Amino acid sequence: GAGVSQSPRYKVAKRGQDVALRCDPISGHVSLFWYQQALGQGPEFLTYFQNEAQLDKSGLPSDRFFAERPEGSVSTLKIQRTQQEDSAVYLCASSFTGGNTEAFFGQGTRLTVV
Amino acid sequence: GENVEQHPSTLSVQEGDSAVIKCTYSDSASNYFPWYKQELGKRPQLIIDIRSNVGEKKDQRIAVTLNKTAKHFSLHITETQPEDSAVYFCAARDTYDMRFGAGTRLTVKP
Repeated sequence: GAGVSQSPRYKVAKRGQDVALRCDPISGHVSLFWYQQALGQGPEFLTYFQNEAQLDKSGLPSDRFFAERPEGSVSTLKIQRTQQEDSAVYLCASSFTGGNTEAFFGQGTRLTVV
Repeated sequence: GENVEQHPSTLSVQEGDSAVIKCTYSDSASNYFPWYKQELGKRPQLIIDIRSNVGEKKDQRIAVTLNKTAKHFSLHITETQPEDSAVYFCAARDTYDMRFGAGTRLTVKP
């Protein structure tokens, strides 16, 4: 595709529900990042993939958060038993290689937990 | 892990003036330092970046400087225009992750 695509754009979940957020990176991009962005804040790092390998998951806030990229392309961020504090925009970014190359962001998924 | 500090959190300038935003980072392994601009409700967009083997880079009205010894880098915008109003984020990237500063809300008054 032409850019990084995320779906859904908006998600409303009742507290306790599980949600799955999808990221389609730019074709051929090796690196993929997930970020959480609260209102008025900077993107907070969640996790990083190089191809299908999850090389850094130090930013995942709890064991309710899980990310996967099984074939090294599409990635899914899953949040179990959602809580109100999970409400945020979840951003995905991809880059052609690791290290010092530009990362392109998707438009984000706005998650609201009610 | 990497920690990126960004200052100021808000900056208001008169149209035509210059704006400077400063960031520091903690991990000496970081080797790539991008700057992103984010308008309300939109995705972050890269405006300029610098790699660790370069001390300064310029692109028209935008320039970035990097001091690896001191672990700080800065964004300079000259001849600011109202359309420069947005939130700007710095970031530092090493092999595995990329961490962002908290952002600077720049307002350019006409």
